Amino acid sequence: AQSVTQLDSQVPVFEEAPVELRCNYSSSVSVYLFWYVQYPNQGLQLLLKYLSGSTLVKGINGFEAEFNKSQTSFHLRKPSVHISDTAEYFCAVKKEGGKLIFGQGTELSVKP
Amino acid sequence: DTAVSQTPKYLVTQMGNDKSIKCEQNLGHDTMYWYKQDSKKFLKIMFSYNNKELIINETVPNRFSPKSPDKAHLNLHINSLELGDSAVYFCASSPGINQPQHFGDGTRLSIL
Repeated sequence: AQSVTQLDSQVPVFEEAPVELRCNYSSSVSVYLFWYVQYPNQGLQLLLKYLSGSTLVKGINGFEAEFNKSQTSFHLRKPSVHISDTAEYFCAVKKEGGKLIFGQGTELSVKP
Repeated sequence: DTAVSQTPKYLVTQMGNDKSIKCEQNLGHDTMYWYKQDSKKFLKIMFSYNNKELIINETVPNRFSPKSPDKAHLNLHINSLELGDSAVYFCASSPGINQPQHFGDGTRLSIL
């Protein structure tokens, strides 16, 4: 069975500090990988996606993620966070033709 | 201008009632989805339609019935509402089955 694990349920950081949100997936076949952000009382917004090609993927709002096949990871990073980055972040994996499976979410809390 | 719109945004009702949530997308996408997000923010797919045909039907009580009158609409009807149905329900759409999904802002369902 395919699963997604987000290793941290909450990540508190100070403004302008770097942040890494961790995501590991389990799959024996090729997958598509996504990071979504959910701001309070809103739907999910796509941050970035990995479908194929370069393993370093750049997304919106200065976020990037690196696909590491040997470690089955897809960690999300930002070199300097803002207060406005405070939100819930979801990692998701999708097999070709299959459904999207979400991780448990990581609450990023940026403090001044 | 809203790409994926859901109505109503909030729904408060009594146990045992029947209710519907509507979803419309103006993106020209072929595939639409319904997700349930519980109180712990865990997201799980319920249904997916591609070109008005059901392609994903997760283990969901048969009190939940999706209806897709056309490619741009996917409504969710729920019979005999139970306390455990309280959650946020998200509609989403994508150009195709393996493409990134665009989410609506959610419908917050509360059962009294």
